[in-house]
Amino acid sequence: RKEVEQDPGPFNVPEGATVAFNCTYSNSASQSFFWYRQDCRKEPKLLMSVYSSGNEDGRFTAQLNRASQYISLLIRDSKLSDSATYLCVVEGGTSGTYKYIFGTGTRLKVLA
Amino acid sequence: DAGVTQSPTHLIKTRGQQVTLRCSPKSGHDTVSWYQQALGQGPQFIFQYYEEEERQRGNFPDRFSGHQFPNYSSELNVNALLLGDSALYLCASSLIGGASTEAFFGQGTRLTVV
Repeated sequence: RKEVEQDPGPFNVPEGATVAFNCTYSNSASQSFFWYRQDCRKEPKLLMSVYSSGNEDGRFTAQLNRASQYISLLIRDSKLSDSATYLCVVEGGTSGTYKYIFGTGTRLKVLA
Repeated sequence: DAGVTQSPTHLIKTRGQQVTLRCSPKSGHDTVSWYQQALGQGPQFIFQYYEEEERQRGNFPDRFSGHQFPNYSSELNVNALLLGDSALYLCASSLIGGASTEAFFGQGTRLTVV
């Protein structure tokens, strides 16, 4: 079983749609959680940290469910510029606590 | 405030050669991690350097080695290159003991082994 699992997509959605991405992780001792955005052939950029209480940044909402070891990202009112790959990241894993463990990423394409 | 910078941006090497990639962390950061990202995959952790020592290592062979300098910059060395080493190599910096463990990535070095 992969340490961090994501649906690779692609998700093709029309502009203005709401889309949700899910991610599961295997190590219950993981400490920190993030969503990164990666545009084609570019570096990953931090989108938002994920907290148990949930957090929102404009059209983006992230949730963490520690009991189910599940992380989600909700994007409301999708824009063409949201088209990218969204990487779920867990800090720590089955063999250490310092490294980032990435999912394979979920590709999003927002259509005009 | 300079972000994470990596050099070179692109590199083509022949099988069996050796390569050195360089990274300067974001100002104020003291920790550098290296990742390998193959096409269509998420980045895979290679190792992390803190206080000039390798703090943790991922599942990569000894052909992959690194170094951190007193100014916190870092190098990734790969010996005896294989075709499968072709990938985007990402450097990320962070601050140990900071308010957040968020890591910031450089633009990467795209290595092609032919």
